[in-house]
Amino acid sequence: EDQVTQSPEALRLQEGESSSLNCSYTVSGLRGLFWYRQDPGKGPEFLFTLYSAGEEKEKERLKATLTKKESFLHITAPKPEDSATYLCAVQAGSNYQLIWGAGTKLIIKP
Amino acid sequence: DAGITQSPRYKITETGRQVTLMCHQTWSHSYMFWYRQDLGHGLRLIYYSAAADITDKGEVPDGYVVSRSKTENFPLTLESATRSQTSVYFCASSDRQGPYGYTFGSGTRLTVV
Repeated sequence: EDQVTQSPEALRLQEGESSSLNCSYTVSGLRGLFWYRQDPGKGPEFLFTLYSAGEEKEKERLKATLTKKESFLHITAPKPEDSATYLCAVQAGSNYQLIWGAGTKLIIKP
Repeated sequence: DAGITQSPRYKITETGRQVTLMCHQTWSHSYMFWYRQDLGHGLRLIYYSAAADITDKGEVPDGYVVSRSKTENFPLTLESATRSQTSVYFCASSDRQGPYGYTFGSGTRLTVV
């Protein structure tokens, strides 16, 4: 069964303390892996799409990487405004639907 | 204003009542989606649409009905609301099929009492 698992469920960091969020997946025929950010009371906001192992994408303090089994969202020197829930989703095979992870809640303390 | 809007933002309804959640997008995106988000389950697809008059079931379609007579609108109807349908509902749109980013609305928080 296709599955996406995110870890940890929650992560508390001090401002400036770099870390990584993990998204592991078991699917057949990955077509794309997505990262989204979701703020409380809002819909998910698209961050990145990764298509193949070895690909990397960056946006400000965020960098997403992809291997054949997992993706990492690296956060460098985070600020309090980076606090949010980060969601990972994959699209695989001929199935158009996205398979979503449960998310990682990131809290950055000033 | 350009974008994707959902209404209402909050809704409380009684068990057994019919309720419709609205979704409107201004980009003329072909693809539109309805998700529900519950603690411990993440986002689950209810229905999606590839174009006007073309809809298909997602992972959790039971108890829901959709229609898409116009490209820009994609209403979701709960025919007879149940407490298990208490959730936050998100509408999303995309202009292309395939692994491209979706744009989500701000959501409707529905409580069935």
